[in-house]
Amino acid sequence: KNEVEQSPQNLTAQEGEFITINCSYSVGISALHWLQQHPGGGIVSLFMLSSGKKKHGRLIATINIQEKHSSLHITASHPRDSAVYICAVGNYGGSQGNLIFGKGTKLSVKP
Amino acid sequence: DGGITQSPKYLFRKEGQNVTLSCEQNLNHDAMYWYRQDPGQGLRLIYYSQIVNDFQKGDIAEGYSVSREKKESFPLTVTSAQKNPTAFYLCASSIKGAIPGANVLTFGAGSRLTVL
Repeated sequence: KNEVEQSPQNLTAQEGEFITINCSYSVGISALHWLQQHPGGGIVSLFMLSSGKKKHGRLIATINIQEKHSSLHITASHPRDSAVYICAVGNYGGSQGNLIFGKGTKLSVKP
Repeated sequence: DGGITQSPKYLFRKEGQNVTLSCEQNLNHDAMYWYRQDPGQGLRLIYYSQIVNDFQKGDIAEGYSVSREKKESFPLTVTSAQKNPTAFYLCASSIKGAIPGANVLTFGAGSRLTVL
């Protein structure tokens, strides 16, 4: 069983829809990261959180430490949100550089 | 603007050849990382460095080598010993924080290596 599981693997939405991507993990974590990978391959860090909720524009990230679960929400989705969204966790028992990455959720937003 | 520059973006290699991927950052970050991405898999750590002249192996270091002679630069060499080198390679950097895994990463645009 993977230590970081994302769902769904693929998601197609119509422009304007509210989108939720889920991430579950099975290890103790120092922090959880949400990343965005565009079709060209570059990755951008969206959020790093260890408790509660963070918001940036139309993106909201929440984490429930007790349930070992995080969600990434996109409100009023737009075709430019089409990308792969990756969840990664920092593990207290791991090395400084070693995040555990999920396999990603591919989001396609249709106009 | 500060950021990470990876080059080349695309690279083709014949079997048996070593190739070096460049990674340069002007963010004044102490820590730098190399990840490998394969289709359908999560990113995996190859090597990382927290300080000049020091680096540690990640989960999949076999067949790769690195150097960290300058704070700004962390080149990765894919050697002929790497049996399946075709992949997308990503360089990243961060501050050197006190808590493992709790530092925001800045990524380069990646280098796609294809072995012919």
